[in-house]
Amino acid sequence: GQQVMQIPQYQHVQEGEDFTTYCNSSTTLSNIQWYKQRPGGHPVFLIQLVKSGEVKKQKRLTFQFGEAKKNSSLHITATQTTDVGTYFCAGDTGFQKLVFGTGTRLLVSP
Amino acid sequence: DTEVTQTPKHLVMGMTNKKSLKCEQHMGHRAMYWYKQKAKKPPELMFVYSYEKLSINESVPSRFSPECPNSSLLNLHLHALQPEDSALYLCASSQSGAYNEQFFGPGTRLTVL
Repeated sequence: GQQVMQIPQYQHVQEGEDFTTYCNSSTTLSNIQWYKQRPGGHPVFLIQLVKSGEVKKQKRLTFQFGEAKKNSSLHITATQTTDVGTYFCAGDTGFQKLVFGTGTRLLVSP
Repeated sequence: DTEVTQTPKHLVMGMTNKKSLKCEQHMGHRAMYWYKQKAKKPPELMFVYSYEKLSINESVPSRFSPECPNSSLLNLHLHALQPEDSALYLCASSQSGAYNEQFFGPGTRLTVL
């Protein structure tokens, strides 16, 4: 079935360092969404990318959607302790459901 | 109001019990979802309701029975669960489909003894 993999599984950075998580789908996606889940919390929507090659920025966060619409990335510049959590990409396969990626857990030390 | 509420927050049940999880949203969303999430894993889709009709059942065992009484409410009825069903159960809603952002509730932490 449809698989969406993320790497790395886990990353521990010092505050101020940059962070990137990569998302790869086995099939072409209609769109891709990114969610953040804080420890003990629930997923919270960050952004949606629809167009091939699209790049969107939200303050220190930069999101990209690949040209083939099968991969995506999230880059955080100068991490802060508030960035701690698990970042999930979620692909819309066009079948009325999202398939969540495996997630990348980010830990930021002050 | 951009909130999805879920009750109860925590639930402990035996394998012979019958219980229900409840979810409510007042954003006028027409798609609602049940997900199951195990520790350190992504949310796993169980059911999708679209315009109050069940549109997707991801081959979920019949001991889980969803219900959508109206456009604001979503229930998940539980019966004869197994210990491996212990997990965080998340409800979500979106405007009309998977291509819209999903709003998640805080979840119900279920423990089956």
